[in-house]
Amino acid sequence: IAGITQAPTSQILAAGRRMTLRCTQDMRHNAMYWYRQDLGLGLRLIHYSNTAGTTGKGEVPDGYSVSRANTDDFPLTLASAVPSQTSVYFCASSALSYTEAFFGQGTRLTVV
Amino acid sequence: DQQVKQNSPSLSVQEGRISILNCDYTNSMFDYFLWYKKYPAEGPTFLISISSIKDKNEDGRFTVFLNKSAKHLSLHIVPSQPGDSAVYFCAASALVPGANSKLTFGKGITLSVRP
Repeated sequence: IAGITQAPTSQILAAGRRMTLRCTQDMRHNAMYWYRQDLGLGLRLIHYSNTAGTTGKGEVPDGYSVSRANTDDFPLTLASAVPSQTSVYFCASSALSYTEAFFGQGTRLTVV
Repeated sequence: DQQVKQNSPSLSVQEGRISILNCDYTNSMFDYFLWYKKYPAEGPTFLISISSIKDKNEDGRFTVFLNKSAKHLSLHIVPSQPGDSAVYFCAASALVPGANSKLTFGKGITLSVRP
């Protein structure tokens, strides 16, 4: 069982380019999340989805979009990347929105 | 305004001694609290949790204490081991579905256990 898988593991991206970070889980969890981790700022929620077909904005949603077409996949899209989006991005899932979340291994994104 | 605060960025303890990691929260709607551990280049992993109906939860070397009146929780690791060296995140949520039901994390604290 893979759990939760993110791709790519790392990426260097030119500013202004579009990028989609992929996230797939095989635990049939209802809720999925995208966090970014920045030094000194901890884990900040970007977007979330409590169930397939629904999404919501987290603490830092600007510049990002998500979709939840099915239970397993929750891609995060940067429409036009900027250097301030350089970060480590973590996808997570949980059975319900308030229960323990399981995290992927992260995607290190550098926008230059 | 940060709702979950880990005010100490780092902690260093001797192997075999107790590590005490502190966390404060401001949102009175929070009633479920979790600790996560994170090694470099890995995702956070769930460590231990506690609901507001309890004031203590123990799992092996790890114990979480909750003081609801003070809006404070702490993670005790006894005895500390070098493999415990990691970043520890405190998180909180509300069990009632709604705006507060998503996990809110603190900034994390880096624990170093000296051999």
